[in-house]
Amino acid sequence: GDSVTQMEGPVTLSEEAFLTINCTYTATGYPSLFWYVQYPGEGLQLLLKATKADDKGSNKGFEATYRKETTSFHLEKGSVQVSDSAVYFCALTRNTGGFKTIFGAGTRLFVKA
Amino acid sequence: GAVVSQHPSWVICKSGTSVKIECRSLDFQATTMFWYRQFPKQSLMLMATSNEGSKATYEQGVEKDKFLINHASLTLSTLTVTSAHPEDSSFYICSARPARGSPYEQYFGPGTRLTVT
Repeated sequence: GDSVTQMEGPVTLSEEAFLTINCTYTATGYPSLFWYVQYPGEGLQLLLKATKADDKGSNKGFEATYRKETTSFHLEKGSVQVSDSAVYFCALTRNTGGFKTIFGAGTRLFVKA
Repeated sequence: GAVVSQHPSWVICKSGTSVKIECRSLDFQATTMFWYRQFPKQSLMLMATSNEGSKATYEQGVEKDKFLINHASLTLSTLTVTSAHPEDSSFYICSARPARGSPYEQYFGPGTRLTVT
């Protein structure tokens, strides 16, 4: 079945450091890929998405490129801030079967001042 | 816009009792709502898909007689955990898909933490 694997956390970085959170997926067909962020005490929020191969999603300085050849959707940010501390979830949604979403386990990011 | 609320945010109940959790879309109509369960340090696992006016579709391994889902209106879905046991303790999250918009679009509630003693 479909699955999403992302790097285990927690990831601890200093402010202004470069961030990469790896995400790979297994799916039939051509899913859409997402990164969600969950700030403490809040619900998941869509951070960015890509709907087809080679698409790059971007938002708030975060980027991820849909790589079909490596089945990956790694999240990157050039310079993290303390306010980026949160849990990040990689996810996929197939365009069949009710558009259900499969989530990765989540990666907790701590950014130190 | 696109706010989803859950009530209660946390609840403690005794083993054998039932608990109802509400999921509301506050500023949009949602024909479809999803219920997820999240264990500590683990992913969200889809439990069921709730469609307004029809029976919910449960994922494999989820007991539909234990987790009763009702989606009676375009802004409200409820999850009732019947005869709760300690192993039902978890974080339950709902999401709502707007009636108008992309089928990939969904907005999440803040979650409900259930503790069964």
